[in-house]
Amino acid sequence: GESVGLHLPTLSVQEGDNSIINCAYSNSASDYFIWYKQESGKGPQFIIDIRSNMDKRQGQRVTVLLNKTVKHLSLQIAATQPGDSAVYFCAEKGIYNQGGKLIFGQGTELSVKP
Amino acid sequence: DGGITQSPKYLFRKEGQNVTLSCEQNLNHDAMYWYRQDPGQGLRLIYYSQIVNDFQKGDIAEGYSVSREKKESFPLTVTSAQKNPTAFYLCASSRQGVNQPQHFGDGTRLSIL
Repeated sequence: GESVGLHLPTLSVQEGDNSIINCAYSNSASDYFIWYKQESGKGPQFIIDIRSNMDKRQGQRVTVLLNKTVKHLSLQIAATQPGDSAVYFCAEKGIYNQGGKLIFGQGTELSVKP
Repeated sequence: DGGITQSPKYLFRKEGQNVTLSCEQNLNHDAMYWYRQDPGQGLRLIYYSQIVNDFQKGDIAEGYSVSREKKESFPLTVTSAQKNPTAFYLCASSRQGVNQPQHFGDGTRLSIL
């Protein structure tokens, strides 16, 4: 039969506030992580990446934090804007992973209220 | 502009029919990938290719086939053996080497008639 889509976790923030999107990854051997933004009807857009030898990396208005002890990744967006409304995915790559295969999380839907 | 082009944007398949989704990139990337995305879910890997004339199965390859005759092109065929083909199909590419981000096209939405 037809599969039923899962309800995405949703984060709703006020315009101008900071947003924090969280991701728990599965493999302690993963050594590379990426955050993607996906708008409706479009492909995922690369935001920022981080290697496992780092705890923090900053981009333009975004910061990624990596806590390897608890296998947790977060994306912080400063001064959130309506254009930030989208689904955000984290992806991980294992250290023994051939071919650069990525494993994607379910995604979090960010909704920005004006 | 450099990028990844997927076509068509929308595609309809009849029972028993094979359909082919196009993916072309002009980023000079060696590696290319096909993912399937179902509503409210993350991406699942169908096939990937690290170099011309070579490709490997991903996690959900059954009912799909690919070819990689040119560096720029990685077409995906959804065969009649794929019983639940309705999904959003995404193509990606990346540079060769360790820890390279994948860049995506804007997808093809496939539906059953």
